Amino acid sequence: AQKITQTQPGMFVQEKEAVTLDCTYDTSDPSYGLFWYKQPSSGEMIFLIYQGSYDQQNATEGRYSLNFQKARKSANLVISASQLGDSAMYFCAMREGYSSASKIIFGSGTRLSIRP
Amino acid sequence: GAVVSQHPSRVICKSGTSVKIECRSLDFQATTMFWYRQFPKQSLMLMATSNEGSKATYEQGVEKDKFLINHASLTLSTLTVTSAHPEDSSFYICSGGVGMNTEAFFGQGTRLTVV
Repeated sequence: AQKITQTQPGMFVQEKEAVTLDCTYDTSDPSYGLFWYKQPSSGEMIFLIYQGSYDQQNATEGRYSLNFQKARKSANLVISASQLGDSAMYFCAMREGYSSASKIIFGSGTRLSIRP
Repeated sequence: GAVVSQHPSRVICKSGTSVKIECRSLDFQATTMFWYRQFPKQSLMLMATSNEGSKATYEQGVEKDKFLINHASLTLSTLTVTSAHPEDSSFYICSGGVGMNTEAFFGQGTRLTVV
Protein backbone atom coordinates (compact mmCIF):
# COMPACT_ATOMS: atom_id res chain seq x y z
CA ALA A 1 0.00 0.00 0.00
CA GLN A 2 1.17 3.48 -0.76
CA LYS A 3 2.28 5.68 2.11
CA ILE A 4 3.55 9.24 2.52
CA THR A 5 5.41 10.44 5.59
CA GLN A 6 6.18 14.01 6.62
CA THR A 7 8.09 14.11 9.89
CA GLN A 8 8.17 17.86 10.48
CA PRO A 9 4.89 19.07 12.00
CA GLY A 10 6.12 22.66 12.04
CA MET A 11 9.07 24.75 10.96
CA PHE A 12 10.17 28.34 11.55
CA VAL A 13 12.44 29.98 9.02
CA GLN A 14 13.87 33.46 8.71
CA GLU A 15 12.72 35.43 5.68
CA LYS A 16 15.04 35.11 2.66
CA GLU A 17 16.54 31.88 3.91
CA ALA A 18 16.14 28.59 2.06
CA VAL A 19 14.07 25.84 3.64
CA THR A 20 13.78 22.11 3.04
CA LEU A 21 10.57 20.24 3.83
CA ASP A 22 11.03 16.52 4.21
CA CYS A 23 8.94 13.81 2.59
CA THR A 24 9.44 10.08 2.31
CA TYR A 25 7.18 7.66 0.54
CA ASP A 26 6.59 3.98 0.07
CA THR A 27 5.07 2.15 -2.85
CA SER A 28 5.54 -1.09 -4.74
CA ASP A 29 4.42 0.46 -8.01
CA PRO A 30 7.38 1.41 -10.24
CA SER A 31 5.29 4.14 -11.86
CA TYR A 32 4.21 6.92 -9.57
CA GLY A 33 4.00 10.66 -9.26
CA LEU A 34 4.97 12.87 -6.36
CA PHE A 35 3.41 16.24 -5.65
CA TRP A 36 3.74 19.15 -3.31
CA TYR A 37 0.78 21.35 -2.50
CA LYS A 38 0.55 24.51 -0.42
CA GLN A 39 -2.52 25.19 1.66
CA PRO A 40 -2.91 28.70 3.11
CA SER A 41 -5.38 29.43 5.88
CA SER A 42 -8.12 29.97 3.28
CA GLY A 43 -8.07 26.23 2.60
CA GLU A 44 -7.40 26.24 -1.11
CA MET A 45 -4.92 23.72 -2.42
CA ILE A 46 -2.18 25.34 -4.50
CA PHE A 47 -0.12 23.03 -6.70
CA LEU A 48 3.60 23.69 -6.43
CA ILE A 49 5.58 20.99 -8.16
CA TYR A 50 5.42 17.48 -9.63
CA GLN A 51 7.97 14.70 -10.09
CA GLY A 52 7.36 11.51 -12.04
CA SER A 53 9.14 8.37 -10.93
CA TYR A 54 10.91 8.00 -14.26
CA ASP A 55 11.95 11.63 -14.54
CA GLN A 56 15.72 11.79 -14.69
CA GLN A 57 16.06 15.35 -13.47
CA ASN A 58 14.75 16.95 -10.33
CA ALA A 59 11.71 19.10 -10.96
CA THR A 60 11.98 22.85 -10.54
CA GLU A 61 9.33 25.57 -10.62
CA GLY A 62 10.62 29.04 -9.88
CA ARG A 63 11.68 29.13 -6.23
CA TYR A 64 10.56 25.56 -5.69
CA SER A 65 12.63 22.49 -6.40
CA LEU A 66 12.06 18.88 -5.58
CA ASN A 67 15.05 16.90 -4.34
CA PHE A 68 14.15 13.45 -5.64
CA GLN A 69 16.21 10.63 -4.13
CA LYS A 70 14.61 7.55 -5.64
CA ALA A 71 16.76 4.96 -3.87
CA ARG A 72 15.98 6.58 -0.53
CA LYS A 73 12.33 7.09 -1.47
CA SER A 74 12.47 10.71 -0.54
CA ALA A 75 11.03 13.76 -2.27
CA ASN A 76 11.98 16.82 -0.27
CA LEU A 77 10.74 20.25 -1.26
CA VAL A 78 13.26 23.06 -1.29
CA ILE A 79 12.06 26.65 -1.20
CA SER A 80 14.77 29.16 -1.97
CA ALA A 81 14.72 32.72 -0.67
CA SER A 82 11.63 32.27 1.49
CA GLN A 83 9.04 35.02 1.63
CA LEU A 84 6.45 35.97 4.24
CA GLY A 85 3.75 34.73 1.87
CA ASP A 86 5.22 31.25 2.02
CA SER A 87 3.77 30.79 5.50
CA ALA A 88 1.22 27.97 5.08
CA MET A 89 0.69 24.24 5.39
CA TYR A 90 2.64 22.15 2.90
CA PHE A 91 1.55 18.69 1.87
CA CYS A 92 3.54 16.03 0.08
CA ALA A 93 1.38 13.66 -1.93
CA MET A 94 1.70 10.62 -4.13
CA ARG A 95 -0.22 8.95 -6.91
CA GLU A 96 0.45 5.37 -7.93
CA GLY A 97 0.51 5.24 -11.69
CA TYR A 98 0.36 8.29 -13.95
CA SER A 99 -3.31 8.48 -14.77
CA SER A 100 -5.42 11.27 -13.38
CA ALA A 101 -7.95 8.56 -12.56
CA SER A 102 -5.63 7.19 -9.88
CA LYS A 103 -6.11 8.48 -6.38
CA ILE A 104 -3.69 10.78 -4.64
CA ILE A 105 -2.89 10.35 -0.97
CA PHE A 106 -1.39 13.01 1.25
CA GLY A 107 1.16 13.18 4.02
CA SER A 108 0.34 14.72 7.38
CA GLY A 109 1.71 18.09 6.36
CA THR A 110 4.25 20.61 7.63
CA ARG A 111 3.26 24.03 8.87
CA LEU A 112 5.85 26.51 7.67
CA SER A 113 6.12 29.88 9.36
CA ILE A 114 8.36 32.57 7.93
CA ARG A 115 9.77 35.11 10.38
CA PRO A 116 10.35 38.69 9.16
CA GLY B 1 -4.41 24.89 -15.25
CA ALA B 2 -7.85 23.34 -15.27
CA VAL B 3 -10.57 24.79 -13.09
CA VAL B 4 -12.69 22.94 -10.56
CA SER B 5 -15.53 24.91 -9.01
CA GLN B 6 -16.99 23.77 -5.70
CA HIS B 7 -20.11 25.10 -4.01
CA PRO B 8 -21.06 26.13 -1.45
CA SER B 9 -17.89 27.41 0.18
CA ARG B 10 -19.51 27.46 3.60
CA VAL B 11 -22.66 25.88 4.95
CA ILE B 12 -24.24 25.66 8.36
CA CYS B 13 -26.98 23.12 8.84
CA LYS B 14 -29.01 21.68 11.66
CA SER B 15 -28.30 18.25 13.00
CA GLY B 16 -30.32 15.62 11.18
CA THR B 17 -30.58 17.47 7.89
CA SER B 18 -28.82 16.69 4.63
CA VAL B 19 -26.36 18.86 2.77
CA LYS B 20 -25.34 18.65 -0.87
CA ILE B 21 -21.94 19.83 -2.11
CA GLU B 22 -21.31 20.30 -5.82
CA CYS B 23 -18.06 19.98 -7.66
CA ARG B 24 -17.86 21.05 -11.29
CA SER B 25 -15.03 20.77 -13.76
CA LEU B 26 -15.34 23.94 -15.82
CA ASP B 27 -12.93 23.40 -18.66
CA PHE B 28 -12.32 19.68 -18.79
CA GLN B 29 -14.24 16.45 -18.66
CA ALA B 30 -13.64 14.46 -15.49
CA THR B 31 -14.48 10.79 -15.65
CA THR B 32 -13.07 10.50 -12.17
CA MET B 33 -13.18 12.89 -9.26
CA PHE B 34 -12.07 12.50 -5.69
CA TRP B 35 -13.62 13.65 -2.44
CA TYR B 36 -11.51 14.44 0.60
CA ARG B 37 -12.29 15.43 4.16
CA GLN B 38 -9.99 17.51 6.30
CA PHE B 39 -10.42 18.03 10.03
CA PRO B 40 -8.74 21.05 11.66
CA LYS B 41 -4.95 20.87 11.65
CA GLN B 42 -5.03 17.50 9.94
CA SER B 43 -4.29 16.23 6.49
CA LEU B 44 -6.62 15.53 3.60
CA MET B 45 -8.14 12.10 3.94
CA LEU B 46 -9.55 10.49 0.83
CA MET B 47 -13.18 9.56 1.32
CA ALA B 48 -14.17 8.20 -2.06
CA THR B 49 -13.52 8.06 -5.76
CA SER B 50 -16.38 9.30 -7.88
CA ASN B 51 -16.77 7.60 -11.25
CA GLU B 52 -18.92 9.06 -14.00
CA GLY B 53 -21.84 6.79 -14.78
CA SER B 54 -21.05 4.21 -12.12
CA LYS B 55 -20.96 3.73 -8.39
CA ALA B 56 -18.41 5.51 -6.27
CA THR B 57 -15.60 3.64 -4.61
CA TYR B 58 -15.37 4.38 -0.89
CA GLU B 59 -12.30 4.18 1.28
CA GLN B 60 -12.31 1.86 4.23
CA GLY B 61 -14.23 3.26 7.16
CA VAL B 62 -16.31 5.73 5.13
CA GLU B 63 -20.05 5.10 5.34
CA LYS B 64 -21.40 5.01 1.82
CA ASP B 65 -24.99 5.43 2.99
CA LYS B 66 -24.09 8.57 4.86
CA PHE B 67 -21.92 10.17 2.20
CA LEU B 68 -23.80 9.78 -1.04
CA ILE B 69 -21.83 10.49 -4.18
CA ASN B 70 -23.37 11.06 -7.58
CA HIS B 71 -21.38 11.60 -10.76
CA ALA B 72 -24.07 11.83 -13.40
CA SER B 73 -22.13 13.82 -15.97
CA LEU B 74 -18.55 14.38 -17.01
CA THR B 75 -18.52 17.81 -15.41
CA LEU B 76 -20.44 17.38 -12.17
CA SER B 77 -19.93 15.29 -9.06
CA THR B 78 -21.96 15.80 -5.90
CA LEU B 79 -21.44 14.74 -2.32
CA THR B 80 -24.49 14.60 -0.06
CA VAL B 81 -23.97 14.34 3.66
CA THR B 82 -27.15 12.70 4.90
CA SER B 83 -28.53 13.09 8.41
CA ALA B 84 -25.61 15.28 9.34
CA HIS B 85 -24.34 15.34 12.90
CA PRO B 86 -21.88 17.67 14.62
CA GLU B 87 -19.06 15.16 14.15
CA ASP B 88 -19.51 15.55 10.39
CA SER B 89 -18.41 19.17 10.68
CA SER B 90 -15.30 19.39 8.57
CA PHE B 91 -13.70 20.82 5.44
CA TYR B 92 -14.71 18.87 2.34
CA ILE B 93 -12.78 19.29 -0.87
CA CYS B 94 -13.00 17.69 -4.30
CA SER B 95 -10.39 17.21 -6.97
CA GLY B 96 -10.14 16.06 -10.53
CA GLY B 97 -7.67 15.89 -13.33
CA VAL B 98 -7.16 15.06 -16.92
CA GLY B 99 -4.55 13.14 -18.85
CA MET B 100 -1.33 11.68 -17.58
CA ASN B 101 1.48 13.03 -15.46
CA THR B 102 -0.50 16.05 -14.38
CA GLU B 103 -1.42 17.56 -11.08
CA ALA B 104 -4.83 17.20 -9.50
CA PHE B 105 -6.99 20.31 -9.60
CA PHE B 106 -8.89 21.13 -6.47
CA GLY B 107 -12.11 22.89 -5.77
CA GLN B 108 -12.16 25.72 -3.29
CA GLY B 109 -13.48 23.46 -0.55
CA THR B 110 -16.64 23.52 1.57
CA ARG B 111 -16.56 24.23 5.26
CA LEU B 112 -19.49 22.35 6.80
CA THR B 113 -20.70 23.17 10.29
CA VAL B 114 -23.45 21.06 11.80
CA VAL B 115 -25.20 22.61 14.78
